[in-house]
Amino acid sequence: DVKVTQSSRYLVKRTGEKVFLECVQDMDHENMFWYRQDPGLGLRLIYFSYDVKMKEKGDIPEGYSVSREKKERFSLILESASTNQTSMYLCASSPLDRSGFNEQFFGPGTRLTVL
Amino acid sequence: TQLLEQSPQFLSIQEGENLTVYCNSSSVFSSLQWYRQEPGEGPVLLVTVVTGGEVKKLKRLTFQFGDARKDSSLHITAAQTGDTGLYLCAGTYSGTYKYIFGTGTRLKVLA
Repeated sequence: DVKVTQSSRYLVKRTGEKVFLECVQDMDHENMFWYRQDPGLGLRLIYFSYDVKMKEKGDIPEGYSVSREKKERFSLILESASTNQTSMYLCASSPLDRSGFNEQFFGPGTRLTVL
Repeated sequence: TQLLEQSPQFLSIQEGENLTVYCNSSSVFSSLQWYRQEPGEGPVLLVTVVTGGEVKKLKRLTFQFGDARKDSSLHITAAQTGDTGLYLCAGTYSGTYKYIFGTGTRLKVLA
């Protein structure tokens, strides 16, 4: 059974804290993604990675950074958390295929609250 | 800029009713996907449509890709309580890894 796991389901942090969100996939997928999900806005892409140590900015990268040191692991970092980063964060992976027809496999999400 | 608009945003219906959800864009996509997300879970792929005018059926769900590949619809026949969830469309462009997600339609089917 294919799986994408995220380190925490719920997280509460204070403004200014450094926050790490971890994502691990067991499908040997090349592509990994971080999204945030807010009501009425759908999923918005923060960053994605198509290979180890490779990353590209998505639509809303400001205030975030990422790390991919191993193929199966993709980390999202909030250097200094702010209240407007309170959201649901979803990690996804997909196999490498430039056709754009691939299924994305999602983790269960991390609901982050920044106080 | 939101490239994919879904309508309606919310829908509450009785079990057994039919419904249609729309996904519209001004952009042409190489493919369009529909996902369903249940509370506490990530989205799960329902279908991918690729060809303009394509129709795909998944039991009581019928998906259609517009002729110009700018829009799509999801029709559910005889809705069941198990259909409750958030429905998301996502467009992709050939040669890119990027997926553009729609704003979502939250469906509640009442027994």
